[in-house]
Amino acid sequence: KAGVTQTPRYLIKTRGQQVTLSCSPISGHRSVSWYQQTPGQGLQFLFEYFSETQRNKGNFPGRFSGRQFSNSRSEMNVSTLELGDSALYLCASSLGAARDEQFFGPGTRLTVL
Amino acid sequence: EDQVTQSPEALRLQEGESSSLNCSYTVSGLRGLFWYRQDPGKGPEFLFTLYSAGEEKEKERLKATLTKKESFLHITAPKPEDSATYLCAVQGSGGSNYKLTFGKGTLLTVNP
Repeated sequence: KAGVTQTPRYLIKTRGQQVTLSCSPISGHRSVSWYQQTPGQGLQFLFEYFSETQRNKGNFPGRFSGRQFSNSRSEMNVSTLELGDSALYLCASSLGAARDEQFFGPGTRLTVL
Repeated sequence: EDQVTQSPEALRLQEGESSSLNCSYTVSGLRGLFWYRQDPGKGPEFLFTLYSAGEEKEKERLKATLTKKESFLHITAPKPEDSATYLCAVQGSGGSNYKLTFGKGTLLTVNP
């Protein structure tokens, strides 16, 4: 069974640009969550989608947005990039019920110059 | 707000030297406590879920236990391939039911 895939794996952008990251969940999984990982803050929750609806949102500015498609694939977008947005962006998929295990993808390493 | 604190931040062991990692948490209504392993440059790999105090789970050289305030990850006779960052996360029954709140992790190094 294929795991969670994320594209691209690496990305370099400059301040002020925008970026779109993609996540394909494990087959049959309907929930996709996004996390930002930095050395200082660790893993922080961005948002979670289930059946194309955002169920939860973390404490990030509105520059961070996401969506989920009918096939459960998800994208997240960051507009007006700042240097502090440099991080590893991880997506995790699960069946969708509370207490279900979340399985992570390899992440997208975003560098903002 | 859910909080997770892991200790120690870093731990260096000799091969075969058993030890434990600690995860202390505060959460409004624990739905689950999750342990992950993360290797450099990779996403976290799921290890265990614990749901209630007194529960224990084992996998190879790892054993996870849970009380009402903390969880321990016991590593018995570790090998160099056990070197990784171990992350603990909680899921509470508050407003954001589906998110995981993570600790900063414990960086484990096992020397041959």
